[in-house]
Amino acid sequence: EVQLVESGGGLVQPGGSLRLSCAVSGFTFIDYWMHWVRQAPGKGLVWVARINGDGSSTSYADAVKGRIIISRDNAKNTVFLQMNSLRVDDSAVYYCAREDSVSSFDSWGQGTLVTVSS
Amino acid sequence: QSVLTQPPSVSGAPGQRVTISCTGSSSNIGAGSDVHWYQQLPGTAPKLLIYGNTNRPSWVPDRFSGSKSGTSASLAITGLQAEDEADYYCQSYDSSLSGSVFGGGTKLTVL
Repeated sequence: EVQLVESGGGLVQPGGSLRLSCAVSGFTFIDYWMHWVRQAPGKGLVWVARINGDGSSTSYADAVKGRIIISRDNAKNTVFLQMNSLRVDDSAVYYCAREDSVSSFDSWGQGTLVTVSS
Repeated sequence: QSVLTQPPSVSGAPGQRVTISCTGSSSNIGAGSDVHWYQQLPGTAPKLLIYGNTNRPSWVPDRFSGSKSGTSASLAITGLQAEDEADYYCQSYDSSLSGSVFGGGTKLTVL
């Protein structure tokens, strides 16, 4: 069974940093691009970042470029999201998702809540 | 403002048919990028509903169907049921942004 489990969310002050993790199981991790998608309270889904199977290629949404870094550890079947210089509008539930062969997100984690507030 | 445009809400009575539109541009849907649809029940993570414009995962009943034409796509739901009440999102790839894009979401209310 495919499973994605996020962790690392919490309350952080504006300007602070947080590192999210997404531990996966049930599939060959290195074969898949992985993504982070966020959802502010009461708002829609917003794509954040993606990384390819071996970690050599990444891309980011303009809103987070320069402040957020996606990475992965294929030995630990885990994808990370390092978030720096956090702003109030970064507050959201952050989901990790697996991209399938037709570029849809066929598996999602349960999400981890990040709250940026003083 | 989302790159893909969806109506904020749609509604229908049980048994009726509703459609949800998703309008993009020449850098995403119009460029040939596939459209995918997700269903998000209250308080839960999104689930893939339609992939590759028209295909359903095995768990999705055939009451749900997708289509794509030009710079737009649509999700149709026939035989509405109370359990279909949820938020629905379209998603595609945008070549000018070099990343995925979502619609703003549509809240379906079953009257």
